[in-house]
Amino acid sequence: QKEVEQNSGPLSVPEGAIASLNCTYSDRGSQSFFWYRQYSGKSPELIMFIYSNGDKEDGRFTAQLNKASQYVSLLIRDSQPSDSATYLCAVDTGRRALTFGSGTRLQVQP
Amino acid sequence: NAGVTQTPKFQVLKTGQSMTLQCAQDMNHNSMYWYRQDPGMGLRLIYYSASEGTTDKGEVPNGYNVSRLNKREFSLRLESAAPSQTSVYFCASSEASEESPLHFGNGTRLTVT
Repeated sequence: QKEVEQNSGPLSVPEGAIASLNCTYSDRGSQSFFWYRQYSGKSPELIMFIYSNGDKEDGRFTAQLNKASQYVSLLIRDSQPSDSATYLCAVDTGRRALTFGSGTRLQVQP
Repeated sequence: NAGVTQTPKFQVLKTGQSMTLQCAQDMNHNSMYWYRQDPGMGLRLIYYSASEGTTDKGEVPNGYNVSRLNKREFSLRLESAAPSQTSVYFCASSEASEESPLHFGNGTRLTVT
């Protein structure tokens, strides 16, 4: 079992819809959770992080964390074609460095 | 403010050749990292340095060596390149406190023939 699992996609949503990206992790001791966006040929850039159970909102983005179920999700409201990218979930298990999932490719159709 | 700077951006090597990937950060971060990214595999940690003078192996260290030259610079060396090392390499830095995010360089695309 991978430490951090994501559906590779592609996840295709129409412009203006809500995109829901999910991530599960195996280490119950994980403390912090990050979502990165990566455009093709570019480096990952941080969208947001969350470390408490519940929801955290930042503009059109909402991160949701459920430690009991070991999943973290990212919702993108009013999706735009410019949101088309690969979204990487990363988990800080406290051991050394962030562990990344393989990413979910999101396609927003105009 | 340049952030994390990696050189070179592209490199083609023949099997058995050696090279060093350079990385420098100007954010005064204590921790620095080298990841590789392969299609469908996500980012995998090669080596990291929690502070100046220390280095530790990550998930995929075989075939690589690193040097934390000073607080700013963290280099990755391939002593004898192999086709399996064809990948995109990212250097990153962080403050290494809880919840501190990684800041990535622009990456080095390496092809080994």
